[in-house]
Amino acid sequence: AQKITQTQPGMFVQEKEAVTLDCTYDTSDQSYGLFWYKQPSSGEMIFLIYQGSYDEQNATEGRYSLNFQKARKSANLVISASQLGDSAMYFCAMRESPNAGNMLTFGGGTRLMVKP
Amino acid sequence: NAGVMQNPRHLVRRRGQEARLRCSPMKGHSHVYWYRQLPEEGLKFMVYLQKENIIDESGMPKERFSAEFPKEGPSILRIQQVVRGDSAAYFCASSPRALGITEAFFGQGTRLTVV
Repeated sequence: AQKITQTQPGMFVQEKEAVTLDCTYDTSDQSYGLFWYKQPSSGEMIFLIYQGSYDEQNATEGRYSLNFQKARKSANLVISASQLGDSAMYFCAMRESPNAGNMLTFGGGTRLMVKP
Repeated sequence: NAGVMQNPRHLVRRRGQEARLRCSPMKGHSHVYWYRQLPEEGLKFMVYLQKENIIDESGMPKERFSAEFPKEGPSILRIQQVVRGDSAAYFCASSPRALGITEAFFGQGTRLTVV
C-alpha cells in the first residue's frame, strides 16, 4: 500500500484564490511527522510546513496552512491568496516513528498551475 | 549559515562511466540522507549516513551504488558503470540529530544525465 497518496496529478487555481492540495497517509505509528515541499521548475526542494502527529493545532506558515485530520489520516495543504510564483510541483512527505530515523517517504506530487 | 550544498548541479556521463555526487551538510549537521527523484515522480529514500557510518541503506540498489560520509569532507554518492536508467535528480538532506526532526532541508540536487 502507498504510504503517501496525492490524488491530484494537476490542479489549476485562479490568482488570488485559495487552493487545497490533498494528501493522505498510511502508518501504524503513533508518533510521526508530515511535511510539505514545493519544487519549482528550477528543481530545488523548498520546505514549506511541518505537522507533528501530536500537535493539536494545525500548522501555519504565512500563506500556507495544513489541514490535519488525524482520524482520516489526511494532511492537506492550503495555500491562500495564490500567486503566480506558486506554480510548481508540491510534495507531501512523512517521517514515521522517531525511532526509525529521519527518512522521509514522499507522495507522487501535485502540479499546481496558477492562472493570471 | 550556508544550507546543504551539492555539487555538481549537473553531471553528464556516458554509459559505463562512474558518477560521483557530493553533499556538504549544513554546519553542525552530522546526519546525511540521499534521495533519488526519477522524472515526474516523488523522491525516494536511498541511504542514511552518519559520520563514517552507514545507518540505513535499505533504498540503495544492491549493485553499482555506494555511499560514504568520511570524518572529514562531504558525503559522496558513487554510481559505477552508469546506465541510462540512472538518469535522475539526486538530492541530499542533512539533520543535526538522529531522531524526530521537525524540518528537513535539501540541497539543490544533482541532475545526472547518462548518454
